[in-house]
Amino acid sequence: AQSVTQPDIHITVSEGASLELRCNYSYGATPYLFWYVQSPGQGLQLLLKYFSGDTLVQGIKGFEAEFKRSQSSFNLRKPSVHWSDAAEYFCAVGAVVPGGFKTIFGAGTRLFVKA
Amino acid sequence: DVKVTQSSRYLVKRTGEKVFLECVQDMDHENMFWYRQDPGLGLRLIYFSYDVKMKEKGDIPEGYSVSREKKERFSLILESASTNQTSMYLCASSLGFNEKLFFGSGTQLSVL
Repeated sequence: AQSVTQPDIHITVSEGASLELRCNYSYGATPYLFWYVQSPGQGLQLLLKYFSGDTLVQGIKGFEAEFKRSQSSFNLRKPSVHWSDAAEYFCAVGAVVPGGFKTIFGAGTRLFVKA
Repeated sequence: DVKVTQSSRYLVKRTGEKVFLECVQDMDHENMFWYRQDPGLGLRLIYFSYDVKMKEKGDIPEGYSVSREKKERFSLILESASTNQTSMYLCASSLGFNEKLFFGSGTQLSVL
């Protein structure tokens, strides 16, 4: 069965420090992978996605993620965190199912940014 | 700009009531989805639809049903609300296969 694991429930980083959020997926075929962000009081917004090609993908707000097939991972990174990055981050995999497709989400990682 | 609108931001209902959650998208998207979001569990898929009058069960369909009579509207129905259905409900739509999801602002449902 398809699944997504985000091992860290919450992470705290200092403003200006680098960030890496971990994501591991389980899916039998070539995955479609996504990172979404949910800022306080706001809806979910797509940060980036990977379908094929270059395994390092760039997203909005200075985020990037690297797909590593051998590790079944799709970790999200940012070189320098800003206070406005405090939010909850969700990794997701797109899976083909009878009748079409569905997007499966991980449990999320809440990011706290300290001054 | 793309818009997914959920009819209520907050809703309080009593156990046993029939509850309707409405979602409308203005992007002519074929695909629509209902998720519930609970702390520590992330988003879990309840039902989805790829066309008018079509529906597919997601991962947690028990206690829910859906209706899609028009392309732009996808309704989630709780036939007899229970306290364990207290949650944040998120509607989403997408243009095509494994495309990005556009989310509504969510409905926080409390069942007392």
